[in-house]
Amino acid sequence: NAGVTQTPKFQVLKTGQSMTLQCAQDMNHEYMSWYRQDPGMGLRLIHYSVGAGITDQGEVPNGYNVSRSTTEDFPLRLLSAAPSQTSVYFCASRRRFQETQYFGPGTRLLVL
Amino acid sequence: AQTVTQSQPEMSVQEAETVTLSCTYDTSESDYYLFWYKQPPSRQMILVIRQEAYKQQNATENRFSVNFQKAAKSFSLKISDSQLGDAAMYFCAYGGGADGLTFGKGTHLIIQP
Repeated sequence: NAGVTQTPKFQVLKTGQSMTLQCAQDMNHEYMSWYRQDPGMGLRLIHYSVGAGITDQGEVPNGYNVSRSTTEDFPLRLLSAAPSQTSVYFCASRRRFQETQYFGPGTRLLVL
Repeated sequence: AQTVTQSQPEMSVQEAETVTLSCTYDTSESDYYLFWYKQPPSRQMILVIRQEAYKQQNATENRFSVNFQKAAKSFSLKISDSQLGDAAMYFCAYGGGADGLTFGKGTHLIIQP
């Protein structure tokens, strides 16, 4: 099992550009989440999904879109990147809501 | 909304000594889960230990143990026989439902050789 994979590992964007951060898991987990981590902060929840076709907002959803067409994939879209979105992004998955979350290696995003 | 507070931004301990990291949380739920995650410089989030709120017994994983005080909403992590490889950021996290985890701001643990 590869676990939770994220691509790319690092990306530089210009303000106003759009991009998609990819996340995939091969553990057949129903629950998937996206977090961002800023300096001096813990991880904050952006969006989450409890199954294919079902998504909902977390604590900091503005500027981000998600969709979940398959159990395996949960991409995060930045529609118009802003410098405030410079951060490290983590994707995570778990089998059921009460179980441990497994994290991907993270994507470092720099918006100029 | 749930909140998680880690009041120690940084802790330092001598190798082989014992250190305790503090965490408090606020919730109105009765059924929830608490976690400690380790984040080394590689940025990978690594689960250290987990506690179910309905269990009175404190969780233990080798040199890592917790002191879970449900009434006080306290969840501290004790690391015994500290090793150089324990140096990292440690995050306390609360999980109570279908959404994701709520994290504290972290404690930077330094191990002095």
